[in-house]
Amino acid sequence: DTAVSQTPKYLVTQMGNDKSIKCEQNLGHDTMYWYKQDSKKFLKIMFSYNNKELIINETVPNRFSPKSPDKAHLNLHINSLELGDSAVYFCASSQAGGLPPETQYFGPGTRLLVL
Amino acid sequence: GQQVMQIPQYQHVQEGEDFTTYCNSSTTLSNIQWYKQRPGGHPVFLIQLVKSGEVKKQKRLTFQFGEAKKNSSLHITATQTTDVGTYFCAGYPGGGNKLTFGTGTQLKVEL
Repeated sequence: DTAVSQTPKYLVTQMGNDKSIKCEQNLGHDTMYWYKQDSKKFLKIMFSYNNKELIINETVPNRFSPKSPDKAHLNLHINSLELGDSAVYFCASSQAGGLPPETQYFGPGTRLLVL
Repeated sequence: GQQVMQIPQYQHVQEGEDFTTYCNSSTTLSNIQWYKQRPGGHPVFLIQLVKSGEVKKQKRLTFQFGEAKKNSSLHITATQTTDVGTYFCAGYPGGGNKLTFGTGTQLKVEL
């Protein structure tokens, strides 16, 4: 059973398009995240939600809009895609007070290529 | 800018050689976590260190947390091809609520 799942795994699209990535976790965690990993493997947090509430919003263009319909789901919608958005996007979840605390469980990633 | 740096960025070793990656933070970390990401995969949690000067071992891997809680290291003894991947440290700089990942060290092991 996959703990954190993301769809799609691969996404190839044209500049200017709008796309969404979905994430679901079945670990019962309270907190979910979106990370962006660039071609140099740098891993940067974009957003974090705790029980459907936005708690971390990094300096991300407002073309990126996360949505959490419930604490098990966190989706990412991207408007007007640009070449620089090409990256791997990872969803993750964690449980405050977990053992160890705040360990991140990552999804398999969505490889986005903007042409 | 990046608050948690790792060196080296890349490392090629021959199988059987040892490997070390160093993690340095500009501010004190409440704890340090280490993750491994295989090529094409996702980061997977390895271990967490909490106490100043703490040392933990997992088989051939030795993790250390500095006395000042601003640096950490991961040492692999006698590398194997299964050790290939990118190793990340991660922590909460300045006691904030954002887990900040280090810049990562990509390890390649050649036969």
